[in-house]
Amino acid sequence: EPEVTQTPSHQVTQMGQEVILRCVPISNHLYFYWYRQILGQKVEFLVSFYNNEISEKSEIFDDQFSVERPDGSNFTLKIRSTKLEDSAMYFCASSVVSDTQYFGPGTRLTVL
Amino acid sequence: KQEVTQIPAALSVPEGENLVLNCSFTDSAIYNLQWFRQDPGKGLTSLLLIQSSQREQTSGRLNASLDKSSGRSTLYIAASQPGDSATYLCAAPISSGYSTLTFGKGTMLLVSP
Repeated sequence: EPEVTQTPSHQVTQMGQEVILRCVPISNHLYFYWYRQILGQKVEFLVSFYNNEISEKSEIFDDQFSVERPDGSNFTLKIRSTKLEDSAMYFCASSVVSDTQYFGPGTRLTVL
Repeated sequence: KQEVTQIPAALSVPEGENLVLNCSFTDSAIYNLQWFRQDPGKGLTSLLLIQSSQREQTSGRLNASLDKSSGRSTLYIAASQPGDSATYLCAAPISSGYSTLTFGKGTMLLVSP
């Protein structure tokens, strides 16, 4: 069964460093999302992407964040200058249209 | 702004019991609602998606209902098993016409043998 994959599973970085989180959505899906979950808190929406552009973004998704679909399979989230409060589990999701979203296993980002 | 609330926050039951998890949402102008399962430290597994035109959706021992008028959804788990132990999350679109999901805090379920 097709699934969303994410790499790396765990990323440790120093405050102020740039990180890139990678996702491979399910191949025939058209909508792509990033969510995050700070330990013990709700899953929060960051950004959605459709037709090679951002379709929605939350207040969390400020100028320090960017997304890209560099080729036909990968979908990336970049954080330019990480802060301690960026430590969280980051989930990528994809969907065919506006229906069931399928989530990847997540990347745990630890900012020291 | 859509807000999703789940009760109870935690539930502990003996194996074999039927149980109901509750979800409420504030903006009833949604076109679907999704239930997920999350195991500790893991990703989210989609369990059921209910369209606004449906009242119920079933998958195996799981049955989800949706009542838009009252802003409520329930997830019924029949004959619970220890393997059902996980956190169950309810998620609704942030607003009409949007696919972005707003999540509840979840119900942590423990099924003891």
